[in-house]
Amino acid sequence: SQTIHQWPATLVQPVGSPLSLECTVEGTSNPNLYWYRQAAGRGLQLLFYSVGIGQISSEVPQNLSASRPQDRQFILSSKKLLLSDSGFYLCAWSTSSHIQYFGAGTRLSVL
Amino acid sequence: RKEVEQDPGPFNVPEGATVAFNCTYSNSASQSFFWYRQDCRKEPKLLMSVYSSGNEDGRFTAQLNRASQYISLLIRDSKLSDSATYLCVVSPYNFNKFYFGSGTKLNVKP
Repeated sequence: SQTIHQWPATLVQPVGSPLSLECTVEGTSNPNLYWYRQAAGRGLQLLFYSVGIGQISSEVPQNLSASRPQDRQFILSSKKLLLSDSGFYLCAWSTSSHIQYFGAGTRLSVL
Repeated sequence: RKEVEQDPGPFNVPEGATVAFNCTYSNSASQSFFWYRQDCRKEPKLLMSVYSSGNEDGRFTAQLNRASQYISLLIRDSKLSDSATYLCVVSPYNFNKFYFGSGTKLNVKP
């Protein structure tokens, strides 16, 4: 069966520090991968998606970047965090029937 | 205009009540439709896909109205455990993106 791992679960970072969040998927090959952010009390905002290794589509211009160095690995990064980067970050993959499965998420607080 | 819009609620209902949520979408070329459930501080989880002919899963019924560009979710005999935020999700023709509504919060009271 397929599983998705995302870590860390919680992160507290100072403004201006770098960020690296990692997501890996098991049990499937060539999945579509996604990074979302959810601000407190808000909906999910699609940040990046990837349909293959090295292929990244950015949905919202901002302080973040994404990379897909391996088929089942998706990384979200920032060189310098802003206060507005705080939120709940979710990684997801989608099946051939277009259903999305999410990782448990990373709750990021930028102070 | 947002891709997907939902009434944020909250909907406060007693146990056993029937409650319905609607969600409108702006892109008439949208092809796939879903309802997800999100518990507080947790990741969203698929509740059900929405098919053109409508579909039912136990106490939950989903409907799609392409002409008016909305989908609905009906929950019968509400349980305390149904308390959550319900997210409407729409995917366009290329299936590479998913657009989430901001969610409708449901509180089922004893």
